[in-house]
Amino acid sequence: QQPVQSPQAVILREGEDAVINCSSSKALYSVHWYRQKHGEAPVFLMILLKGGEQKGHEKISASFNEKKQQSSLYLTASQLSYSGTYFCGTAGSGTYKYIFGTGTRLKVLA
Amino acid sequence: SAVISQKPSRDICQRGTSLTIQCQVDSQVTMMFWYRQQPGQSLTLIATANQGSEATYESGFVIDKFPISRPNLTFSTLTVSNMSPEDSSIYLCSVEEGRGYEQFFGPGTRLTVL
Repeated sequence: QQPVQSPQAVILREGEDAVINCSSSKALYSVHWYRQKHGEAPVFLMILLKGGEQKGHEKISASFNEKKQQSSLYLTASQLSYSGTYFCGTAGSGTYKYIFGTGTRLKVLA
Repeated sequence: SAVISQKPSRDICQRGTSLTIQCQVDSQVTMMFWYRQQPGQSLTLIATANQGSEATYESGFVIDKFPISRPNLTFSTLTVSNMSPEDSSIYLCSVEEGRGYEQFFGPGTRLTVL
């Protein structure tokens, strides 16, 4: 089942913060976050593993609630370059296959 | 991270024909993945390709329609067979790296079927 992301779309002014949520109906081992700009391939941002380990972008943080099967991506002091569509990718234990979420379109205005 | 290239970058094809998409990686990788992304939609995994074994297809995708080759650790092809307009999509290959299975994507192939 495809993870559901919220909100579907968000518009920000430069410098504002945003939170994007990803919710799965299945038990999760790891969560990836990607940003995709129009006409380009998705770019890896962040990985969160069960147990709390995470690795990723300097100015972007994320959380992973294993019990709730949810992850949130926190974008602080947004920049114009943050515009794009954000996808979470989720995987259960023992699998290398990621199911991508529904996506969140984010636009940052000057 | 691995550098991934795809050919062609885009193509316009006629109904009933086939197109083979190539994916080349600049380093040896165990697993390669093929995704489809329809306009304005999320990414859907088509199959996983391991070198030396048959590709593993996801529900809704079959080998006759999407045959995959993986002749070595740096290269894979995906063929879209007997195309119809519903096959118009962006097709992306990706590879995984790192302990947490971080995935890196190729630039994609934009396919339009008339």
